[in-house]
Amino acid sequence: AQSVAQPEDQVNVAEGNPLTVKCTYSVSGNPYLFWYVQYPNRGLQFLLKYITGDNLVKGSYGFEAEFNKSQTSFHLKKPSALVSDSALYFCAVRDRADKLIFGTGTRLQVFP
Amino acid sequence: EAQVTQNPRYLITVTGKKLTVTCSQNMNHEYMSWYRQDPGLGLRQIYYSMNVEVTDKGDVPEGYKVSRKEKRNFPLILESPSPNQTSLYFCASSSVTVAGGLDNEQFFGPGTRLTVL
Repeated sequence: AQSVAQPEDQVNVAEGNPLTVKCTYSVSGNPYLFWYVQYPNRGLQFLLKYITGDNLVKGSYGFEAEFNKSQTSFHLKKPSALVSDSALYFCAVRDRADKLIFGTGTRLQVFP
Repeated sequence: EAQVTQNPRYLITVTGKKLTVTCSQNMNHEYMSWYRQDPGLGLRQIYYSMNVEVTDKGDVPEGYKVSRKEKRNFPLILESPSPNQTSLYFCASSSVTVAGGLDNEQFFGPGTRLTVL
């Protein structure tokens, strides 16, 4: 069965430091992978996606994600965190039926 | 502005009182979907629609109905709400490829927080 795992409920990082939010997936065939962000009292916003091509994908707000096929991972990264990056982050994979399967979310807290 | 709108944003109701949450998109998207978000469970799909008059069950369809009479609208209907349907609900839409699949990201509405007493 297709699935997505986000092993960390919360990630804490100091402003200016690099951040990583982890995601691993299990899917048959080639994965279509997505990252979304949810700010308080807002809907989900698309950050970036991997369909094919370069393993390093760049997205909105300075975020990027690295697709690693051998480790079945798609970790979200940013070189220098901002306090305004504090939010709930969801990794998702599109399965063969075109359904988006979401992880349980990781709350990112960036401290000044 | 391209957007997905939902109404109401907040709703408190009582068990058994029928309600409808509306969803509308102005991007001419074929695909629309409803999710519920619960702590520790992420987002789970309730129903989706690939086009007008085409709807299908997601992972957690029990207790919900949908309809897709027009391309832009995809209302979620709770015929007899129960407390376990207290949740945060999101509508989403997306375009489809020429081949009929979803390559693109989904656009989400702002959410509807429903409380069933």
